[in-house]
Amino acid sequence: GDSVTQMEGPVTLSEEAFLTINCTYTATGYPSLFWYVQYPGEGLQLLLKATKADDKGSNKGFEATYRKETTSFHLEKGSVQVSDSAVYFCALSSNTGNQFYFGTGTSLTVIP
Amino acid sequence: DAGITQSPRHKVTETGTPVTLRCHQTENHRYMYWYRQDPGHGLRLIHYSYGVKDTDKGEVSDGYSVSRSKTEDFLLTLESATSSQTSVYFCAISLGGGLSSGANVLTFGAGSRLTVL
Repeated sequence: GDSVTQMEGPVTLSEEAFLTINCTYTATGYPSLFWYVQYPGEGLQLLLKATKADDKGSNKGFEATYRKETTSFHLEKGSVQVSDSAVYFCALSSNTGNQFYFGTGTSLTVIP
Repeated sequence: DAGITQSPRHKVTETGTPVTLRCHQTENHRYMYWYRQDPGHGLRLIHYSYGVKDTDKGEVSDGYSVSRSKTEDFLLTLESATSSQTSVYFCAISLGGGLSSGANVLTFGAGSRLTVL
């Protein structure tokens, strides 16, 4: 069945460091891919999405490219800030668009 | 979280008691979901609904039931709570309609923290 595997955490970075969080997926057909972010004590919020191969999703300085050949959707940011400290979830929606599958989450802490 | 309200936000109960969590939306979205979030497991789907009185099981549905009598409300019931059901529960909604309508996006509520003693 469909599934998402993402990089184990926790990840600790200094402010202005480069961030990569790896995400790979298994799916039939052509899923849509997402990154969600969860700040402490809150629900998940959509960070970015991509709906087809080679699409790049971007938001708030974060980017991820839908790579069908490597079944990956890695999250990157060139210069992290303390305010980026959160848990990041990679997710996909199934071929029908109505079933969603999540990775286990990666906790990021950015220190000044 | 715009358009989604979960209640209660926090609840402590004892083993064997029934518990109902409520999710209310004002977005008129067709699909509603209940997830639980646990360390090391991420989010796991409990049940979902694709319309009034139309529901289906997710990957961790044992011990849970749901009901949807109105578009805006989706109830999650633990008939007899157990300590293994201590978790944070999230409701989510999406428009539905398949990929032809563009990527469906899940919008989440703020969560309900349940502790079963």
